[in-house]
Amino acid sequence: KAGVTQTPRYLIKTRGQQVTLSCSPISGHRSVSWYQQTPGQGLQFLFEYFSETQRNKGNFPGRFSGRQFSNSRSEMNVSTLELGDSALYLCASSTLLQGVDGYTFGSGTRLTVV
Amino acid sequence: GQQVMQIPQYQHVQEGEDFTTYCNSSTTLSNIQWYKQRPGGHPVFLIQLVKSGEVKKQKRLTFQFGEAKKNSSLHITATQTTDVGTYFCAGREAGGGNKLTFGTGTQLKVEL
Repeated sequence: KAGVTQTPRYLIKTRGQQVTLSCSPISGHRSVSWYQQTPGQGLQFLFEYFSETQRNKGNFPGRFSGRQFSNSRSEMNVSTLELGDSALYLCASSTLLQGVDGYTFGSGTRLTVV
Repeated sequence: GQQVMQIPQYQHVQEGEDFTTYCNSSTTLSNIQWYKQRPGGHPVFLIQLVKSGEVKKQKRLTFQFGEAKKNSSLHITATQTTDVGTYFCAGREAGGGNKLTFGTGTQLKVEL
């Protein structure tokens, strides 16, 4: 079956701009979680969506937001980009909340803010 | 908040040597998961441990969950070059309804 699909794979944005990342989970997976990965901070939890509702949120500023659609596809948005937002953004899907059955990760979106 | 630390941060071994990474949580965990991330790749789910003292094996990999459910380990016997990557543990705080917190990761390099 198809894996978790994230688009785009690479993005270069200017400081102050906004960006939207997309994630299509594995068919049948209703939980979608987003993580930010940087060399210095490792994998940091952003938020989780389940059945179109945000169920959990990490410690990120309000510039980071997301949503989930009825087909379980999810988007995350970052407004007013800062240099420190440069990172690999990973989407992970699972059948159950919070990856209780194990997350399947997408290949990620590499965001560079200049 | 919950913190999950892993040691060592880096490990460089000769092919055929054993490797162990240790995962320690600041709080009691309901379960723990392990993931492997190859260079340039994304994390891949390996296994989940739930019971206190649980030990599970996957070929050359042995996973253990501590009796107090605050620590875990991953041991690889006779490493191969295909084992190269970063190994992450991820723990869920006991009490339910909490997010999965990833450990800091151990980067393994295997030399021929």
